[in-house]
Amino acid sequence: NAGVTQTPKFQVLKTGQSMTLQCAQDMNHEYMSWYRQDPGMGLRLIHYSVGAGITDQGEVPNGYNVSRSTTEDFPLRLLSAAPSQTSVYFCASSYNLGDNYGYTFGSGTRLTVV
Amino acid sequence: KQEVTQIPAALSVPEGENLVLNCSFTDSAIYNLQWFRQDPGKGLTSLLLIQSSQREQTSGRLNASLDKSSGRSTLYIAASQPGDSATYLCAVIKAAGNKLTFGGGTRVLVKP
Repeated sequence: NAGVTQTPKFQVLKTGQSMTLQCAQDMNHEYMSWYRQDPGMGLRLIHYSVGAGITDQGEVPNGYNVSRSTTEDFPLRLLSAAPSQTSVYFCASSYNLGDNYGYTFGSGTRLTVV
Repeated sequence: KQEVTQIPAALSVPEGENLVLNCSFTDSAIYNLQWFRQDPGKGLTSLLLIQSSQREQTSGRLNASLDKSSGRSTLYIAASQPGDSATYLCAVIKAAGNKLTFGGGTRVLVKP
């Protein structure tokens, strides 16, 4: 099915470990982004990309790294996991702004850092 | 900085009653506004997208209005059903960078 696919769905990490959250879309969307959702804080933008090879920081980028080598994939790397990074992570994508399409979200990755 | 507020934070209604969910934003220079539904432990499902040039958008029992000048959008759900119980999120899309700014959501419970 067309859409945004995130893996894994659940992950437990120890403090200091690193990992990569995967995100792939098959809709040829130019824009992709990562959000984290925390109780009482809502959804906050971590990093985003307006096209392959182009990334930029969002509201809460510290501790995370991204790259966009292809249109389809936008992985999020946790460099050295901390308990404060316990959260639900969502990847989202959309067409070019001028096409007036909204965003499509993945089903999320629930990360716990112990 | 764009701020998006949703009031009330929670709402409980009997089945059959109409739902009115409010979303307000501080910067009227938006491109689009999108309403989402989120079930517990699940991802976000897009409900309606309103372009900045539109004043409303309808899909089935759902109707969303947009008043850019006053910085408000309202989501109406007619004849609510228990299956409508979920958290409803609004998000504005600013032209620069196509980034979403979310409200805190309204948690809805429809009682049978």
